[in-house]
Amino acid sequence: GAGVSQSPSNKVTEKGKDVELRCDPISGHTALYWYRQRLGQGLEFLIYFQGNSAPDKSGLPSDRFSAERTGESVSTLTIQRTQQEDSAVYLCASSRFRVGRSPLHFGNGTRLTVT
Amino acid sequence: TQLLEQSPQFLSIQEGENLTVYCNSSSVFSSLQWYRQEPGEGPVLLVTVVTGGEVKKLKRLTFQFGDARKDSSLHITAAQPGDTGLYLCAGGSANAGKSTFGDGTTLTVKP
Repeated sequence: GAGVSQSPSNKVTEKGKDVELRCDPISGHTALYWYRQRLGQGLEFLIYFQGNSAPDKSGLPSDRFSAERTGESVSTLTIQRTQQEDSAVYLCASSRFRVGRSPLHFGNGTRLTVT
Repeated sequence: TQLLEQSPQFLSIQEGENLTVYCNSSSVFSSLQWYRQEPGEGPVLLVTVVTGGEVKKLKRLTFQFGDARKDSSLHITAAQPGDTGLYLCAGGSANAGKSTFGDGTTLTVKP
């Protein structure tokens, strides 16, 4: 596709359940990022993938959060045993090269609500 | 940890007024981006600045990168309701793979 695609666009889940969020980056983009955005706030870095290098997981808030990416394609962000404080919009972005050399292209996010 | 502070956090103005929003840091960035985000959508890139002192213009928007590459400003002339949105600055470093984002400025332009 022409842009970054995320699914689902909205997800409502009960506290304690696991959720999986998907991101399809722009074809040919080597870098992929996950950010979290709480209502009316800026973006909180979660994890970064660059090609076949080990991912930068320094932003993951707890061990309930994990993400995978196969090669330079789809990525999934998994949140286990969801808590109400996990409610937020989860944004995925890709860039052609490593950040600083090329800008981020964002999807429209997945709005997660934990009840 | 690299931090970016944006000010003001909220700004509400009338159509036709001018405004400036600021993005400040104690860290040096190799590049700085400004994004605009509308409700229900992801941020969209407006501009990238890479050279200290650089000024870029995009129609009614003027972006400036500080000489020391630690700060930036966005000036909007004759604001229009279509400029309403969340404006985010993001700094990139050659050593870090991720961009650092500010908390954003929420701009409302009333007709």
